[in-house]
Amino acid sequence: GENVEQHPSTLSVQEGDSAVIKCTYSDSASNYFPWYKQELGKGPQLIIDIRSNVGEKKDQRIAVTLNKTAKHFSLHITETQPEDSAVYFCAASKAAGGGADGLTFGKGTHLIIQP
Amino acid sequence: DTGVSQDPRHKITKRGQNVTFRCDPISEHNRLYWYRQTLGQGPEFLTYFQNEAQLEKSRLLSDRFSAERPKGSFSTLEIQRTEQGDSAMYLCASSLLAGENGELFFGEGSRLTVL
Repeated sequence: GENVEQHPSTLSVQEGDSAVIKCTYSDSASNYFPWYKQELGKGPQLIIDIRSNVGEKKDQRIAVTLNKTAKHFSLHITETQPEDSAVYFCAASKAAGGGADGLTFGKGTHLIIQP
Repeated sequence: DTGVSQDPRHKITKRGQNVTFRCDPISEHNRLYWYRQTLGQGPEFLTYFQNEAQLEKSRLLSDRFSAERPKGSFSTLEIQRTEQGDSAMYLCASSLLAGENGELFFGEGSRLTVL
């Protein structure tokens, strides 16, 4: 089955700086790569996703890049703000929405924005 | 309708007891997923339904676990003869079965503590 590795497990950055979280996946058939943000006591919330026919996608301060050859994808957050503090999860699946196998998640990155 | 609703939010039980969790998805969503999340880990796929049909079950779903979605709307997840290892957050998610718009919307989870 699919295996998703995520690094780093904790990331502390100064407010206003950029943050980068990286993930690798093992199944070359995966073609859907979402990123979720989870705040304490809440369920994960989708913040951005990318499909394998696209190399990069941007939404305001958030961007995701995908390298299918190397089987890795990254989340970039620019101009970080205190409300960006949360746990971020990357995931992979063979179909948008999780499909038949469901999403396979990484272990998460605890992002801490220092004032 | 404001999102995926889960009940109860917290459940403390003694080992060997049965517990049941309920999930009400977003009303027009025909796919419903159950995930399990333990501390410091990403969510792990358990099972999913398309309408009332249970189409996929993870090997994580032992025979003590049973999920139903009898009318294609709400779903229940029952754990029989609970064990301490069942302590986790049980997350429900729903999505539309649609080509490119497969975003999973998660509920806030049901946290189970088995003493």
